Amino acid sequence: DAGVIQSPRHEVTEMGQEVTLRCKPISGHNSLFWYRQTMMRGLELLIYFNNNVPIDDSGMPEDRFSAKMPNASFSTLKIQPSEPRDSAVYFCASDREGSMNTEAFFGQGTRLTVV
Amino acid sequence: AQSVTQPDIHITVSEGASLELRCNYSYGATPYLFWYVQSPGQGLQLLLKYFSGDTLVQGIKGFEAEFKRSQSSFNLRKPSVHWSDAAEYFCAVGAKDSSYKLIFGSGTRLLVRP
Repeated sequence: DAGVIQSPRHEVTEMGQEVTLRCKPISGHNSLFWYRQTMMRGLELLIYFNNNVPIDDSGMPEDRFSAKMPNASFSTLKIQPSEPRDSAVYFCASDREGSMNTEAFFGQGTRLTVV
Repeated sequence: AQSVTQPDIHITVSEGASLELRCNYSYGATPYLFWYVQSPGQGLQLLLKYFSGDTLVQGIKGFEAEFKRSQSSFNLRKPSVHWSDAAEYFCAVGAKDSSYKLIFGSGTRLLVRP
């Protein structure tokens, strides 16, 4: 398996523009996580899906952020409108069952820069 | 509330020397504890985890960690560091009542001197 695939790897956008980050989880994994990594706040869980259903989105910073998982093989994280403080590395991870007993596999991340 | 503290932002060791990375956690019950490694430009990879049982846990790449309840610590060790171990290391804690949510420490960047 190719692992968790994220695209794009790098994104530079202007403030106010819409940004869409994409994630393809590992086939057969039924849980998907979106994390954000910044120098100031470290790694934070934004949202967690289980069987394509959002279970916990309490980490989503504000209404400008939204995430979808239309099927088991694809998820998006959208920021609209984007702001400079959204600049970070965004990671997607997937897990076979979404419990502590199994390992979450991380993608390589999308480095987002909002200017 | 759960929290994780990694007191060392940077650590530099010589190749072949031993390594210990510190991790302290705060949690009301027995936690699930993890160590992840992040190489530059890469995602996180699980090194090892502790759920219960033997407090000394063996992981991949020759790493081990010891859970010490009395000290609320889960320090990561390696007897002989290789240049390829240079990376950032994250300790994380999970709660049994929240099966998916991990709280990460701020990370320790390991530099290896030739």
